[in-house]
Amino acid sequence: GESVGLHLPTLSVQEGDNSIINCAYSNSASDYFIWYKQESGKGPQFIIDIRSNMDKRQGQRVTVLLNKTVKHLSLQIAATQPGDSAVYFCADRGGKLIFGQGTELSVKP
Amino acid sequence: EAGVAQSPRYKIIEKRQSVAFWCNPISGHATLYWYQQILGQGPKLLIQFQNNGVVDDSQLPKDRFSAERLKGVDSTLKIQPAKLEDSAVYLCASSPSRQNTEAFFGQGTRLTVV
Repeated sequence: GESVGLHLPTLSVQEGDNSIINCAYSNSASDYFIWYKQESGKGPQFIIDIRSNMDKRQGQRVTVLLNKTVKHLSLQIAATQPGDSAVYFCADRGGKLIFGQGTELSVKP
Repeated sequence: EAGVAQSPRYKIIEKRQSVAFWCNPISGHATLYWYQQILGQGPKLLIQFQNNGVVDDSQLPKDRFSAERLKGVDSTLKIQPAKLEDSAVYLCASSPSRQNTEAFFGQGTRLTVV
């Protein structure tokens, strides 16, 4: 079946540094992915998405890279801030919406 | 634009009791999802509706869980009887269509079974 998985359950970075969160997926037919941010006590919140006809997409301080050859995507956060502390999920947005396990990002001041 | 509304926010019940959660999706959204999120894990899809029809309920424990979406708008998720392992956050999400669009989440209902 479909699955997505994140490489590291936790990531700790210094404020101002860049963060990279990785995700792998299994379904080669998957063509649309979404990154969500979940803060404590809240539901997941959309950050950025990418479709399979793209290799890279940029938002405000965030960039998502998609490598279809190795079925891997990453979320890069530039100049990480304390407010970025949260759990980050990649999701396979096909007919269902399948989540990985999440990476908890901690930002040290 | 109003977001996805869920109630209650918190619920504590004893095992073997029943409980119901309510979700009001964003107006006009045809697709509605219920997820179970156990502490430290990613959300797990329980059931997906398209309007008032069930698209996928393959991971719904049907011996104790039920869900309905009357008139293709609001939805309720029920657990009867609850078990200790049902303790989790129950998230509702909605999207304009089944795929290729963003899904929006509510705040969730935190259920504790004691």
